[in-house]
Amino acid sequence: DAKTTQPPSMDCAEGRAANLPCNHSTISGNEYVYWYRQIHSQGPQYIIHGLKNNETNEMASLIITEDRKSSTLILPHATLRDTAVYYCIVRVESNTGNQFYFGTGTSLTVIP
Amino acid sequence: NAGVMQNPRHLVRRRGQEARLRCSPMKGHSHVYWYRQLPEEGLKFMVYLQKENIIDESGMPKERFSAEFPKEGPSILRIQQVVRGDSAAYFCASSPFGTFRAFFGQGTRLTVV
Repeated sequence: DAKTTQPPSMDCAEGRAANLPCNHSTISGNEYVYWYRQIHSQGPQYIIHGLKNNETNEMASLIITEDRKSSTLILPHATLRDTAVYYCIVRVESNTGNQFYFGTGTSLTVIP
Repeated sequence: NAGVMQNPRHLVRRRGQEARLRCSPMKGHSHVYWYRQLPEEGLKFMVYLQKENIIDESGMPKERFSAEFPKEGPSILRIQQVVRGDSAAYFCASSPFGTFRAFFGQGTRLTVV
């Protein structure tokens, strides 16, 4: 039960911003939004996560709508190495931990 | 601080044999997760363990599959009497107690011939 909806594929020109949308209309108040990516069948790599506020780190920015029903991952200057499958995941935070449920993700292709 | 280590990276087994996949979590991490990825598909959750305890095994097939995370040593995913449909990439992730970002290993690719 992935609880998220993402477009299956997207293209982005190298050097441009890549904006990857995710719908999570049934998200609960205590569920965080996480983004991971998987490059060419390697192990998934953490990108960013957030609860309500927009977040930014060295890899990307995460924009979460006010009603929290959708979010957008922004890669500000896409490079060829950003070609990967990007997974948007919602997850409850608790001290006993919780598993991640991966959906089918968005396959991003960065075009030279 | 080494990352999550999985071995072997590639494993070939004949139908009916046993497969043992090992996962050494990052230092200080007490939570381990196992996922399976069939060719051209997404990652499917299998089992979540803490030291000496199985917390959630809702994604594990009812037969032939088992997992453990002993007090000492790596976590083991064991598949008995493997069949061709078990051929997949198996990923392990770990996280520390009290924080929630999980780190993934590079996976073990199991091929059943």
